[in-house]
Amino acid sequence: KAGVTQTPRYLIKTRGQQVTLSCSPISGHRSVSWYQQTPGQGLQFLFEYFSETQRNKGNFPGRFSGRQFSNSRSEMNVSTLELGDSALYLCASSLADPGINEQYFGPGTRLTVT
Amino acid sequence: AQSVAQPEDQVNVAEGNPLTVKCTYSVSGNPYLFWYVQYPNRGLQFLLKYITGDNLVKGSYGFEAEFNKSQTSFHLKKPSALVSDSALYFCAVLMDSSYKLIFGSGTRLLVRP
Repeated sequence: KAGVTQTPRYLIKTRGQQVTLSCSPISGHRSVSWYQQTPGQGLQFLFEYFSETQRNKGNFPGRFSGRQFSNSRSEMNVSTLELGDSALYLCASSLADPGINEQYFGPGTRLTVT
Repeated sequence: AQSVAQPEDQVNVAEGNPLTVKCTYSVSGNPYLFWYVQYPNRGLQFLLKYITGDNLVKGSYGFEAEFNKSQTSFHLKKPSALVSDSALYFCAVLMDSSYKLIFGSGTRLLVRP
C-alpha cells in the first residue's frame, strides 16, 4: 500500500506570492490533517478535513486555507507569502478520526520564502 | 487548555543503556496520548498511543511508554538504546472530539556508540 505522498517536496517562493501544496492520502483514508513545522514553533496544527469538510482549524491567519476533494486528496494554499511562512509542511492521513485511528505522515513539503 | 510539555531539548545515552524521553500533559478529561519519531528529512512515524487500559503501552521498535495519571506523565522508554534510535521524538495529545493533535516541542535523542 502506497504511503502518504506530498508534492512538491521542495519549493522556493518570493514574498507576496501564493503557493499550493498537495497531499495524497493512503488509499481508503478519509481524514487528512496539515501541520506546519518550524524550528521555533515546533509542530503546529493547521486544519483537518474529512469527507471534504473541514472539521477543525488551528490558529493561523486566513491566508492559510485548504480543501479536500471527493477522492480524499487535499490541497493547502498560502496566499501573500511572508518570510515567516518558511517551514516544513506535513500532511497526515488516517482512516477516519486522527488519534483514534493512527495518523500516517507524508515526507513533507519544504517551503522557503525569500 | 490542553497541552504537552517535553522538558528536555536533548537526551544523550550510550548504546545499550536504557533510555527515557519525558513528556507531561495537561488535559481536561481523559487524555489520548501519542509518541512519534522523526528521522532527518522524513515525516513523522507513529510509535505508540495510550487511549485506555494498561498503563504500560508497547509500541514499535522496542519502545514502550508508561501512562501515570497522578503525575500526568507519559514517558517514552526503551530498555537498550541503539545508535539507530537517534532521532527527534514528539509527544502529542489529542484534544477531545476535536480531531486535533497537539504536539510537544520535541526531544532530540542522541545515542552514542
